[in-house]
Amino acid sequence: NAGVTQTPKFRVLKTGQSMTLLCAQDMNHEYMYWYRQDPGMGLRLIHYSVGEGTTAKGEVPDGYNVSRLKKQNFLLGLESAAPSQTSVYFCASSYSRRSGNYEQYFGPGTRLTVT
Amino acid sequence: AQSVTQLGSHVSVSEGALVLLRCNYSSSVPPYLFWYVQYPNQGLQLLLKYTTGATLVKGINGFEAEFKKSETSFHLTKPSAHMSDAAEYFCAVSDNTGFQKLVFGTGTRLLVSP
Repeated sequence: NAGVTQTPKFRVLKTGQSMTLLCAQDMNHEYMYWYRQDPGMGLRLIHYSVGEGTTAKGEVPDGYNVSRLKKQNFLLGLESAAPSQTSVYFCASSYSRRSGNYEQYFGPGTRLTVT
Repeated sequence: AQSVTQLGSHVSVSEGALVLLRCNYSSSVPPYLFWYVQYPNQGLQLLLKYTTGATLVKGINGFEAEFKKSETSFHLTKPSAHMSDAAEYFCAVSDNTGFQKLVFGTGTRLLVSP
């Protein structure tokens, strides 16, 4: 099992450029999440999905879009990157509440710099 | 709304000393509580969790935490620090009625000196 993988690991963008971050999990998890990590602020939830074809906003959704066309993949898009989006992005996944397992499994992260 | 406060952005201990990382939470519903560890340039790994039942929970690498409802706390401890414990530690709270969204504290970096 690869667990949760993220592509790419690093990226540098110029202001106004767009990009998509890919998250994939092979654990058949129902729920998937995108967080951003900034120094001194911990991790903050951007968007999440509770199943294929569903998405919902988290704490800091502005400037991002997401899609979950397949159960195992969760994409995070930046349509017009801004320097404020310079951050480390983490994807996570988990079983649904029905399972009784409440752990989220995290990917290794994507370090994004917007100049 | 839920929130987590971690006291101390940095904690320094000597190898073999007690580790105590503090976490206080705010939640309007019975919380689920978690401690995650992050080693440099890596993702987060679950150390331990409290959902229901026994309030003293044991995790990996010799860590444990106690849920104290009256103090709204979930402090992380380890009797004897190892050099390999140097990392950043995050406390998080999740409500038990939603979709397991986590609210994280701002993290505590543990430094271990020889």
